[in-house]
Amino acid sequence: DQQVKQNSPSLSVQEGRISILNCDYTNSMFDYFLWYKKYPAEGPTFLISISSIKDKNEDGRFTVFLNKSAKHLSLHIVPSQPGDSAVYFCAASDFTGGGNKLTFGTGTQLKVEL
Amino acid sequence: EAGVTQSPTHLIKTRGQQATLRCSPISGHTSVYWYQQALGLGLQFLLWYDEGEERNRGNFPPRFSGRQFPNYSSELNVNALELEDSALYLCASSLPGQGATDTQYFGPGTRLTVL
Repeated sequence: DQQVKQNSPSLSVQEGRISILNCDYTNSMFDYFLWYKKYPAEGPTFLISISSIKDKNEDGRFTVFLNKSAKHLSLHIVPSQPGDSAVYFCAASDFTGGGNKLTFGTGTQLKVEL
Repeated sequence: EAGVTQSPTHLIKTRGQQATLRCSPISGHTSVYWYQQALGLGLQFLLWYDEGEERNRGNFPPRFSGRQFPNYSSELNVNALELEDSALYLCASSLPGQGATDTQYFGPGTRLTVL
């Protein structure tokens, strides 16, 4: 039962353009959402997060949008840079379920081309 | 500041054996989490330790166990290894007591291969 889904295993974008990575979830108890970036042979690195009381959070080139009614979130990267090429994982937290357990999606491989 | 470290980097075992994976959290972090990333799957939550106690456990059989030491480092033990235990095992740590918004910082992982 995949409670967090990233339906696009890969995405290719031109340098300078916008990258949009999508994530859907099914558990309405999730109250905090995070995006992690992972390079090969490294652990995931925290990128940006959003609480369920907000619908948008911005940090530099990265913006996360949350649509609770649709149980959907997205990560926008503008402008995309070659160094952004990595696997991006969406994760959700359900503190009421016993704290600090993150449920991850399967990841989207982003490739930013020159 | 040193990040989360894990050892060994790679581990090869045969079916039925036991595997021990180690994790050292970032200095000042008291919570340690273990995740399994099997091929084609997202990270699956395994265990959460805080202040030496097991706080939460994912949907894994009891042969997956662990502990946290007084210096907050942690060990994950997998007994009676099965072929499907082959995966990347990631450890993460976070600051104490901030609740669901704790940012978890990950180590590079241990690649376990069961033959």
